[in-house]
Amino acid sequence: EAAVTQSPRNKVTVTGGNVTLSCRQTNSHNYMYWYRQDTGHGLRLIHYSYGAGNLQIGDVPDGYKATRTTQEDFFLLLELASPSQTSLYFCASTTGGVNTLYFGAGTRLSVL
Amino acid sequence: TQTVSQSDAHVTVFEGDSVELRCNYSYGGSIYLSWYIQHHGRGLQFLLKYYSGNPVVQGVNGFEAEFSKSDSSFHLRKASVHWSDSAVYFCAVRGGDGGYKVVFGSGTRLLVSP
Repeated sequence: EAAVTQSPRNKVTVTGGNVTLSCRQTNSHNYMYWYRQDTGHGLRLIHYSYGAGNLQIGDVPDGYKATRTTQEDFFLLLELASPSQTSLYFCASTTGGVNTLYFGAGTRLSVL
Repeated sequence: TQTVSQSDAHVTVFEGDSVELRCNYSYGGSIYLSWYIQHHGRGLQFLLKYYSGNPVVQGVNGFEAEFSKSDSSFHLRKASVHWSDSAVYFCAVRGGDGGYKVVFGSGTRLLVSP
């Protein structure tokens, strides 16, 4: 089964802090995604990518940057974290086509 | 752009009952549809998908879903639920226009009582 690894699993920071969430998949998947999950909103797409160096804007990109450094690694950056970014973040990947998404275990971020 | 609506935030049934979880989408072209399950404290896992062909698709663990173009729907069903089916279920949509944006609904929490 495809594996997607997120780190850290939990993170606490203060308002204005700088946070980087990491995601790695070792399945040669082309497409990678960052979502945030909040009660009442389900999963909302932040950014996604279809290869190293590529970045596509999702539905809730404000306050987030992302970078796909290699086919395996996709990072989500919060340069000036705010309490509204307190959430559960999921990374996912897929080969493309009609193939399914494989999700990481999530990173719980608290911004105090 | 595609949108997904899951109108029921919570559904409660008894073990052995049948259940239908509703999903409606909005998109102008061809579309890929999927359902995912999330158990408490876990990531999402794939259940089933539809792109073309037979509008009724079978998934894992006895789940099935039916696509309706006229209703813009992709409802998930199970004939007899077990307590272990208690989880949050998400419907997902990807436009078939060559893009890879995958959008999820807000989820339906299913509680199966013994």
